[in-house]
Amino acid sequence: EAGVAQSPRYKIIEKRQSVAFWCNPISGHATLYWYQQILGQGPKLLIQFQNNGVVDDSQLPKDRFSAERLKGVDSTLKIQPAKLEDSAVYLCASSLVASGNTIYFGEGSWLTVV
Amino acid sequence: AQKVTQAQTEISVVEKEDVTLDCVYETRDTTYYLFWYKQPPSGELVFLIRRNSFDEQNEISGRYSWNFQKSTSSFNFTITASQVVDSAVYFCALRGGSEKLVFGKGTKLTVNP
Repeated sequence: EAGVAQSPRYKIIEKRQSVAFWCNPISGHATLYWYQQILGQGPKLLIQFQNNGVVDDSQLPKDRFSAERLKGVDSTLKIQPAKLEDSAVYLCASSLVASGNTIYFGEGSWLTVV
Repeated sequence: AQKVTQAQTEISVVEKEDVTLDCVYETRDTTYYLFWYKQPPSGELVFLIRRNSFDEQNEISGRYSWNFQKSTSSFNFTITASQVVDSAVYFCALRGGSEKLVFGKGTKLTVNP
């Protein structure tokens, strides 16, 4: 079974530029998550989708971050304009609908803002 | 609020030693799930185990074992006869009624040959 796919793996941009990350969850997984992991810290949830609806985006900096999940499958996370403190790994994850199901993670997209 | 504490920031052992990674959690939910993930240098979070709050049985999988104790709100992870390939950052995580998965800060394990 294919895992969670993410691209690009690595991205370096200058501050105030924009960047977009793409995620394809495990087939059949209705719930999709975007996490931000800053070096030396645990992952922090940015946004959670159930199919194509947002369940939780309370920790998403909405002035610069946006995410969508059209058609309830693939998702895109965008940052515009980027700040130095956005340098992190952006992890996409997915799980089945039912409560308590294991969340499976992709390899992450490493962002460096210079 | 839910919280996971991994007090050990870094641990260094010599190969073949046993090592225990501590995890203490806080939640008001009666139903919750606890997880351990491994993060090698490549960055991917690899799922290791999931336990629900109603199942306090300890679990062993090869060289890995987990000790879940509700009385002390702990879910500790032991690696027996550690190997160099076990070197990674290990995260304990908690998922309660809100469905949000909350992570600890991680413990970096280095196994030296």
